[in-house]
Amino acid sequence: AQTVTQSQPEMSVQEAETVTLSCTYDTSESDYYLFWYKQPPSRQMILVIRQEAYKQQNATENRFSVNFQKAAKSFSLKISDSQLGDAAMYFCAYRSEYSGGGADGLTFGKGTHLIIQP
Amino acid sequence: EPEVTQTPSHQVTQMGQEVILRCVPISNHLYFYWYRQILGQKVEFLVSFYNNEISEKSEIFDDQFSVERPDGSNFTLKIRSTKLEDSAMYFCASGGAVLYSNQPQHFGDGTRLSIL
Repeated sequence: AQTVTQSQPEMSVQEAETVTLSCTYDTSESDYYLFWYKQPPSRQMILVIRQEAYKQQNATENRFSVNFQKAAKSFSLKISDSQLGDAAMYFCAYRSEYSGGGADGLTFGKGTHLIIQP
Repeated sequence: EPEVTQTPSHQVTQMGQEVILRCVPISNHLYFYWYRQILGQKVEFLVSFYNNEISEKSEIFDDQFSVERPDGSNFTLKIRSTKLEDSAMYFCASGGAVLYSNQPQHFGDGTRLSIL
């Protein structure tokens, strides 16, 4: 079974600065997908960014980028120019490629609570 | 942008009672999911549903749980005889407008279930 570990229960960053949230995972599979979801106080989980394991290039979405190290099984999220609206719980998630076309559920980490200091 | 909607936002139920949580997935999605998050713990996968049947389920999804798509729009999770440990936030998700497993899952706001 796959596991996802987020070792930082809480992180704090000054507005406009850069913060990196860490995530490691354990799997014996070679093909899979990794995701970062954001859960603001309004509760709805919103997809931030995703990475296909077969792609060497790190995914980027505006101010959000990942550092995907497949050999190390590491998938960190970097948020540049932090904004007050970035304050939320951030969850790292894993999904197997070997599923019935998408039927597999996500395996989540415990989350990192990100605080943005004005 | 289309959203997954869940009702109610908060459900309070006596232990032993049946409860039904409702979800309206995004209309052109093919896969539907339920997750739960016990307070202070990680989000856990319960079940996935495709083509009107369960595709995958976790160990948590025992005989007390069932899912149904009673019509073309709703997707429900039923807990037959609730226990105190069923108290959690329950999230519905949908994904996969096409049959590719890299399609992200879109989550609803969740239903907070409190068992007394």
